[in-house]
Amino acid sequence: KQEVTQIPAALSVPEGENLVLNCSFTDSAIYNLQWFRQDPGKGLTSLLLIQSSQREQTSGRLNASLDKSSGRSTLYIAASQPGDSATYLCAVRPGNYGQNFVFGPGTRLSVLP
Amino acid sequence: SQTIHQWPATLVQPVGSPLSLECTVEGTSNPNLYWYRQAAGRGLQLLFYSVGIGQISSEVPQNLSASRPQDRQFILSSKKLLLSDSGFYLCAWSVTPGQPQHFGDGTRLSIL
Repeated sequence: KQEVTQIPAALSVPEGENLVLNCSFTDSAIYNLQWFRQDPGKGLTSLLLIQSSQREQTSGRLNASLDKSSGRSTLYIAASQPGDSATYLCAVRPGNYGQNFVFGPGTRLSVLP
Repeated sequence: SQTIHQWPATLVQPVGSPLSLECTVEGTSNPNLYWYRQAAGRGLQLLFYSVGIGQISSEVPQNLSASRPQDRQFILSSKKLLLSDSGFYLCAWSVTPGQPQHFGDGTRLSIL
């Protein structure tokens, strides 16, 4: 059974710092991995999707990497801003083409001005 | 562009009452549709998904049901709500299972 964990559970950094959020999954047979951000009381906003054949994806100040063999993905945020404060979730789609995306519990990020 | 709408945004219901949450998608055809629940302190749990009209798959046994009466409409229902049904319900869509999922703003359901 696929399990997804995210470390740390919460992170507080001063504005301008570069930071890394971690996502680990127990079964390396995945189809893809998606990173989301969730603002309090809101739905999820898709940030980046990495297919199993890819190593990384970039969008603006965000860079997501995938190491399938070790069951890890990282989300790198460059030059953090207070507007980046949110909960960041990763989700894994199993490699058996099932629909059952497995979500991690999230990392709550606070960027202090 | 595609948009997804969920309503209501918040709902307070007594135990034993019925439930109907609605989700609609605009700007795309034949989307894959999903219902998730996010309980306090827990991750998102996939409840139902649908690949087409009238096609519903349930991921976990529960007190809820889902229906897809139209291509871009997905409804989450219950005949009798339980206290344990409280949570934040999110609808999502994707073009195919391999493409990114896009979420609505969610419905916060409180059962009294």
